[in-house]
Amino acid sequence: GQSLEQPSEVTAVEGAIVQINCTYQTSGFYGLSWYQQHDGGAPTFLSYNGLDGLEETGRFSSFLSRSDSYGYLLLQELQMKDSASYFCAPYTGGFKTIFGAGTRLFVKA
Amino acid sequence: GAVVSQHPSRVICKSGTSVKIECRSLDFQATTMFWYRQFPKQSLMLMATSNEGSKATYEQGVEKDKFLINHASLTLSTLTVTSAHPEDSSFYICSAFLRGGGSYEQYFGPGTRLTVT
Repeated sequence: GQSLEQPSEVTAVEGAIVQINCTYQTSGFYGLSWYQQHDGGAPTFLSYNGLDGLEETGRFSSFLSRSDSYGYLLLQELQMKDSASYFCAPYTGGFKTIFGAGTRLFVKA
Repeated sequence: GAVVSQHPSRVICKSGTSVKIECRSLDFQATTMFWYRQFPKQSLMLMATSNEGSKATYEQGVEKDKFLINHASLTLSTLTVTSAHPEDSSFYICSAFLRGGGSYEQYFGPGTRLTVT
């Protein structure tokens, strides 16, 4: 089976740094992706970690530890537009992605 | 980046009618596309995997006769909701994978909001 755990909600202020954690349990694992979805919109790809360690893309960074079945998304210099839902999604092969419940991030002024 | 389009973006139909949603990969070929549905404030639920030139693979609990999927070309997959009912009202999203450089990136269409009255 497969399970994913993310916090349901996170609140932070503009300019701050926030970390969204993800623990997963899957049968087969290639890497971990992160997606952002604004209300009413479709998900957009943020990052993919195929190897352990940190991947940095602008204000967003993502980390993976395979041995701990754990990853996180780090958002720096938060902006109001970062208010959205964030999904971690393990890639288990077959080009299929299963999404968990996601984390709703609220950025306050 | 890769672009996936969907049409229509919104549709309202009467109960009992059928609705077709198109998903196109605009600048790449996608032998496999995916269809999701999403209820308000909930996560995306994978409905089926659309395979070009062969039958779709449906997830458990998804009625294949109700949600007809056709993947006739490398750039087009269609989802037809047959005999729609109000409980089928949802946000339907398609996606396609782009693999390259060791990364697996999934690109989503903008979604289709279906309202069945």
